[in-house]
Amino acid sequence: AQSVAQPEDQVNVAEGNPLTVKCTYSVSGNPYLFWYVQYPNRGLQFLLKYITGDNLVKGSYGFEAEFNKSQTSFHLKKPSALVSDSALYFCAVIPRGGRRALTFGSGTRLQVQP
Amino acid sequence: ETGVTQSPTHLIKTRGQQVTLRCSSQSGHNTVSWYQQALGQGPQFIFQYYREEENGRGNFPPRFSGLQFPNYSSELNVNALELDDSALYLCASSSEDNYGYTFGSGTRLTVV
Repeated sequence: AQSVAQPEDQVNVAEGNPLTVKCTYSVSGNPYLFWYVQYPNRGLQFLLKYITGDNLVKGSYGFEAEFNKSQTSFHLKKPSALVSDSALYFCAVIPRGGRRALTFGSGTRLQVQP
Repeated sequence: ETGVTQSPTHLIKTRGQQVTLRCSSQSGHNTVSWYQQALGQGPQFIFQYYREEENGRGNFPPRFSGLQFPNYSSELNVNALELDDSALYLCASSSEDNYGYTFGSGTRLTVV
């Protein structure tokens, strides 16, 4: 069975500094990988996905993520954090050729201080 | 292009009752999935519907059931509600030819 780990419950960063939110996965083969963001009392908003091709994926709001097959990781990054980036971030995976259902990590709360 | 809409936004039910949650999929999307997000956790897959047929199910008991209609909208029904069913229920739609999942804002169900 596939699983996703987000090892940090919370990440704190100062506005203007780079941010990284970590994600590792356990899925056979090369999965499809996703990042979503959730603001309070809201649904999930899509940020980016890795399907195939370039390991560096660029997404919405200046976010990017790098697929690293050898480390089975898909860390979310942004060069310069904004206070408005403060939210709950979820990494998710779909096994290639498997059921098209997202398996989510437990989430990481990002807090950007002004 | 309209997004995914869910109704109601909030709901309070008593243990043992039944509830129906509704979802309208995004235009052009023929697949609908439902997820349960308990407080402080990531969403958990309940089931998926494709062209009105259940197309996959997560680890949820049979009292969780669903429907998809010809216009690709969907319902989630939960019978014999338990306190642990209190959660945010999320609907997501997608098309069969890509992996773009669009989520609704969810229905917050509280079971008392």
